[in-house]
Amino acid sequence: SQQGEEDPQALSIQEGENATMNCSYKTSINNLQWYRQNSGRGLVHLILIRSNEREKHSGRLRVTLDTSKKSSSLLITASRAADTASYFCATAATNQAGTALIFGKGTTLSVSS
Amino acid sequence: NAGVTQTPKFQVLKTGQSMTLQCAQDMNHEYMSWYRQDPGMGLRLIHYSVGAGITDQGEVPNGYNVSRSTTEDFPLRLLSAAPSQTSVYFCASSWDRADQPQHFGDGTRLSIL
Repeated sequence: SQQGEEDPQALSIQEGENATMNCSYKTSINNLQWYRQNSGRGLVHLILIRSNEREKHSGRLRVTLDTSKKSSSLLITASRAADTASYFCATAATNQAGTALIFGKGTTLSVSS
Repeated sequence: NAGVTQTPKFQVLKTGQSMTLQCAQDMNHEYMSWYRQDPGMGLRLIHYSVGAGITDQGEVPNGYNVSRSTTEDFPLRLLSAAPSQTSVYFCASSWDRADQPQHFGDGTRLSIL
């Protein structure tokens, strides 16, 4: 079962606009991660936010975390065509077998010039 | 450093054939995992390993087998390929835990006829 779910599934914007993606998860977490996947490539880690952090920045990326609502958002400011990709959130889930990283279904971002 | 290397990049199999997808990392990472990615399904965890000699099942382990005889290698075996196993397979690794940033390979695109 999915631990994280992104919203919206798809987002189309113009260059220069901001893009916001949301993620909801189900269980308590130590941290939440965001990844980017360009077409035909593997996932690339973007940013990790710990459960005791509320906001984190990395270049044009801003991530927020609300553990009371079990949700996170990824904001990409001043989007560029090169930001066109799929974006995934991921959290670690523990069951009887152990702890594994579970991904949501992703948000597909299209930035047009 | 090469990072995470997956071979082959593309493969076509006939139903019932077996094959091994190779994954190797040169970062001395203890944690390795296999995911499959299907349209609309996101990434689903197949198997993972927290170190040499230790493997565990993920969300969709049926039809797949893994072993971890060395730190560097984590091969995924399809025992008797089925059309439902047509997918893109990704291998990932991290230092020693699931909730750390993962390094992904570029995937193996597998078609089962």
